[in-house]
Amino acid sequence: KNEVEQSPQNLTAQEGEFITINCSYSVGISALHWLQQHPGGGIVSLFMLSSGKKKHGRLIATINIQEKHSSLHITASHPRDSAVYICAVRSSNTGKLIFGQGTTLQVKP
Amino acid sequence: DTGVSQDPRHKITKRGQNVTFRCDPISEHNRLYWYRQTLGQGPEFLTYFQNEAQLEKSRLLSDRFSAERPKGSFSTLEIQRTEQGDSAMYLCASSFTGVISGYTFGSGTRLTVV
Repeated sequence: KNEVEQSPQNLTAQEGEFITINCSYSVGISALHWLQQHPGGGIVSLFMLSSGKKKHGRLIATINIQEKHSSLHITASHPRDSAVYICAVRSSNTGKLIFGQGTTLQVKP
Repeated sequence: DTGVSQDPRHKITKRGQNVTFRCDPISEHNRLYWYRQTLGQGPEFLTYFQNEAQLEKSRLLSDRFSAERPKGSFSTLEIQRTEQGDSAMYLCASSFTGVISGYTFGSGTRLTVV
């Protein structure tokens, strides 16, 4: 079993829909990152969370430390949100990241 | 500061050749990480440096791989005698210790071994 599990692996939505991507992890962490990767592109950090909830524009990220679970929500989705979204947990000792396998999101107009 | 820079962006090499990639981190960051990402998968940890010291190496890093960060600034990752299985995106990231700081990724070097 992977230390970081994301669901779903693939997601297709219509423009305007509310989207949720889930992440569960099984190791101790100092922080959890949500990352975005476009095809052929580099990785962009969306959020870094150690507790609670963060919001940036149409994106919301939450984390429940006790349940070792995080969610990324996209409100009023748009085709430009189409990308791979990756959850990664950060080791408290080394700072290295352990990545989930990613969720491929396609938003259709 | 322009963020984390990686060079080259793309590299095509013949099997058996040696390749070297470079990463320039954000100047204030003392930690530098190398990750590898194969198609359709999430990145996997390879190694990391704190200043010039290489503190951890993954089992993924075979004897053909070597990484250096001689002055605690830029880092190089060398792959000797490349194999087709080495084809991947090699990502560099940097961060700062002491506080929970952000992570900054480079754009990656895409290696294709033919």
